[in-house]
Amino acid sequence: QKEVEQDPGPLSVPEGAIVSLNCTYSNSAFQYFMWYRQYSRKGPELLMYTYSSGNKEDGRFTAQVDKSSKYISLFIRDSQPSDSATYLCAPHMNAGNMLTFGGGTRLMVKP
Amino acid sequence: EAGVAQSPRYKIIEKRQSVAFWCNPISGHATLYWYQQILGQGPKLLIQFQNNGVVDDSQLPKDRFSAERLKGVDSTLKIQPAKLEDSAVYLCASRGGAGELFFGEGSRLTVL
Repeated sequence: QKEVEQDPGPLSVPEGAIVSLNCTYSNSAFQYFMWYRQYSRKGPELLMYTYSSGNKEDGRFTAQVDKSSKYISLFIRDSQPSDSATYLCAPHMNAGNMLTFGGGTRLMVKP
Repeated sequence: EAGVAQSPRYKIIEKRQSVAFWCNPISGHATLYWYQQILGQGPKLLIQFQNNGVVDDSQLPKDRFSAERLKGVDSTLKIQPAKLEDSAVYLCASRGGAGELFFGEGSRLTVL
C-alpha cells in the first residue's frame, strides 16, 4: 500500500460545478495536511493546509480532514477553467518533516 | 520576493551522458529539497539539505546521483551516467517558516 494515494483522474467537470478531490493515507502520525496545485509545466504551489482534523475554508476552497478514517478532501465551489490543474495532497508529521506527495488528481474544468 | 530559481529549464541528453541542475532557493530559507517528478506521478523526494548538511538522502540513487550545497545557499544536482528512466522533471524547493514548500518551475530532463 502506498503511503499516500489519490485517484489520478482526469476528472472533467463543467464550469460552475462543485468538485471533490480526495486522498487517503496510511500513516496515523500525520498531523499536517497540505494541498498543492500544479499547472502544466510549472512547479507545485501551496493552495492551503490544515492541522489535525476538521475543516478549513479559503474562498472557493474547503479542505477537510478525517483522521479517524485517514481521509482528506478538497472541495472547490463554483469551479472555473482556471482551476484546471493537477492537485497534490501532501500530509506530513510536523513542519520539519519532508513532504510525501500523493500521485495527484488531474482536474479539467470545461467552459 | 524572488522565488526559487532553477536552471536549465530543459535538457536533452543521451543515456550514459552526465547532466547537472542548479537551484537557488528563496533568500533566508535554510532547508532545500530536490524532488523527482516522473510524468503522471507526484513528486518524489531525492534529498533534503539543512543549510549545507544532508538531512535525508535515503531515496537518492547514490550510484549515479549526487547533490551538494556547499555554502548553504544554492545547490547542484548531478546525474552521471544518466539512464532512460531518469527522464523526469527535477524540482527544487525551499521551506518557509510554517513548513510550506516553495517550488521552482523545475528542470525537465529527457534521456534518449
